[in-house]
Amino acid sequence: RKEVEQDPGPFNVPEGATVAFNCTYSNSASQSFFWYRQDCRKEPKLLMSVYSSGNEDGRFTAQLNRASQYISLLIRDSKLSDSATYLCVVRGNTDKLIFGTGTRLQVFP
Amino acid sequence: DAGVIQSPRHEVTEMGQEVTLRCKPISGHNSLFWYRQTMMRGLELLIYFNNNVPIDDSGMPEDRFSAKMPNASFSTLKIQPSEPRDSAVYFCASSPRSGGGSDTQYFGPGTRLTVL
Repeated sequence: RKEVEQDPGPFNVPEGATVAFNCTYSNSASQSFFWYRQDCRKEPKLLMSVYSSGNEDGRFTAQLNRASQYISLLIRDSKLSDSATYLCVVRGNTDKLIFGTGTRLQVFP
Repeated sequence: DAGVIQSPRHEVTEMGQEVTLRCKPISGHNSLFWYRQTMMRGLELLIYFNNNVPIDDSGMPEDRFSAKMPNASFSTLKIQPSEPRDSAVYFCASSPRSGGGSDTQYFGPGTRLTVL
């Protein structure tokens, strides 16, 4: 079983739609959680950290459920520029980040 | 402020040749990570350093791969001899994590390696 699992997609949604991505992790001792975004042929970049209480950054909302070892990302009012691969990332009790294989999002006009 | 710098950006070489990838982390960051990304396996951590010291190299595929960090501003990843299955994008990332700083990692633009 992979340490971080994501639905690879692709998710094809129209502009303005709301889309949600899910992720599960296997290490119950994991301490930090993130969503990174990777554009085609570019490097991954931090989108947002994920906190136990849930957090929001504009159109993006991240949730963490430690009991179920589950992380989610909600994107509201999708824009064409949101088209990218979204990587679920988990840190255990070391400095290593474990990346999921990513969920591809394509927003169409 | 400059981000993580990697060179070369693209490398095409023939099987059996030595390949050296270079990375300059963000100034002041004391953790450095080397990753490999392929379509099949996604993003895999190869090795990471804290304060120039290798901490975990369990992701290094085999003895053909080696990494060094002679000082806080420079690291290399070497493949000798290279094989076609080493073809991938190699990313370097840095973080101020060591010593209790943020664990956000900042990635360089990557080196796209093709081994013929």
